[in-house]
Amino acid sequence: DTEVTQTPKHLVMGMTNKKSLKCEQHMGHRAMYWYKQKAKKPPELMFVYSYEKLSINESVPSRFSPECPNSSLLNLHLHALQPEDSALYLCASSQARTSPTEQFFGPGTRLTVL
Amino acid sequence: AQSVTQLDSQVPVFEEAPVELRCNYSSSVSVYLFWYVQYPNQGLQLLLKYLSGSTLVESINGFEAEFNKSQTSFHLRKPSVHISDTAEYFCAVSDLNSGYALNFGKGTSLLVTP
Repeated sequence: DTEVTQTPKHLVMGMTNKKSLKCEQHMGHRAMYWYKQKAKKPPELMFVYSYEKLSINESVPSRFSPECPNSSLLNLHLHALQPEDSALYLCASSQARTSPTEQFFGPGTRLTVL
Repeated sequence: AQSVTQLDSQVPVFEEAPVELRCNYSSSVSVYLFWYVQYPNQGLQLLLKYLSGSTLVESINGFEAEFNKSQTSFHLRKPSVHISDTAEYFCAVSDLNSGYALNFGKGTSLLVTP
């Protein structure tokens, strides 16, 4: 199984809502990533988890809260978002953060904040 | 500091014509290079990678790229493109100094027309 899955595929939320994005992989990877991608732009790294511990937070606003319940799951909790947070949110995984291997990406969650 | 430059934001090409998408990088240490493809409304898929060994790497769908250390380049080529190759192509670089995080270029939009 070389797949990274993400749910939901689409999400529309108001600025006062609380929602969560979910990501799952069963490749035994120990590094998992959240990226934000705006239209016609490359992905921007948000968070990196290594062995279920947060290792990189790229100065992301606190209205985004990551969580890694176990080695296969990665969540992104959303609260009080702004319209400019509308984007494609991509999850990725790799064997480990300490080696130069490729990252496998999920299909993304298209988020619209009203 | 490491950087990656994709010199062309858009490349229009006719079906069955050859194409080259250019990627240049800068780094003070050994680099690892990747090409990802993103079809509309989808996540990123790894097209090919250079980690070590042969400097010419190939994908299963006819693309190839050559790591040229002296010219600090990793250009992507295909001798004959199909309509289905229409997509966004991202070059990415990682190295030890960046903790093997992927640093993406701005992307090249390949548009194949009949």
